[in-house]
Amino acid sequence: GAVVSQHPSWVICKSGTSVKIECRSLDFQATTMFWYRQFPKQSLMLMATSNEGSKATYEQGVEKDKFLINHASLTLSTLTVTSAHPEDSSFYICSALTGRGGHQHEQYFGPGTRLTVT
Amino acid sequence: AQSVTQPDIHITVSEGASLELRCNYSYGATPYLFWYVQSPGQGLQLLLKYFSGDTLVQGIKGFEAEFKRSQSSFNLRKPSVHWSDAAEYFCAVGAGQAGTALIFGKGTTLSVSS
Repeated sequence: GAVVSQHPSWVICKSGTSVKIECRSLDFQATTMFWYRQFPKQSLMLMATSNEGSKATYEQGVEKDKFLINHASLTLSTLTVTSAHPEDSSFYICSALTGRGGHQHEQYFGPGTRLTVT
Repeated sequence: AQSVTQPDIHITVSEGASLELRCNYSYGATPYLFWYVQSPGQGLQLLLKYFSGDTLVQGIKGFEAEFKRSQSSFNLRKPSVHWSDAAEYFCAVGAGQAGTALIFGKGTTLSVSS
């Protein structure tokens, strides 16, 4: 099946620094990827939709200047948390959309990245 | 607007007993419906999905779900729960047009007692 990876799986950074999280589709091309955020014991909330070669579309309330998304290729999207603060600590999960075969437009999720800002 | 409601925050089931996790959705057209499972600190694993056709959907790990349009429900069931099924379960809905992000319910935590 389709595999999506995220790197790193876990990161700790100091307040004020920036952190980049990578989301890769390993065996398929994904023109669209999604970034979700999950607080402890809560559901996933969509942050933004990342389309290859164009600007990301952010959900209401998500600061686009703080959460920079780049989808430079069909297999890679990156989320950069700029000037991170403790309230940005969360579990970030990406998903990639595939339209191959009988699984039209099915989302495959990455394993997630846990960000802790100290 | 689309929404998903999982009425049960936490359920405890005895090992070997049957399980039903409830999910209600709000969407004007026929939705794409999903059930995912998440173990602590892990990503999401797709259990099953409904796009169209037979309203009783079989998934992995012995799970099934039934789409009931009249009740706007997509409840997840398993006839005999195993201790390894203890996890967080999320119901999700996608818009009728494929290729959109999913809206997730708040999740149901399943505990399995011996």
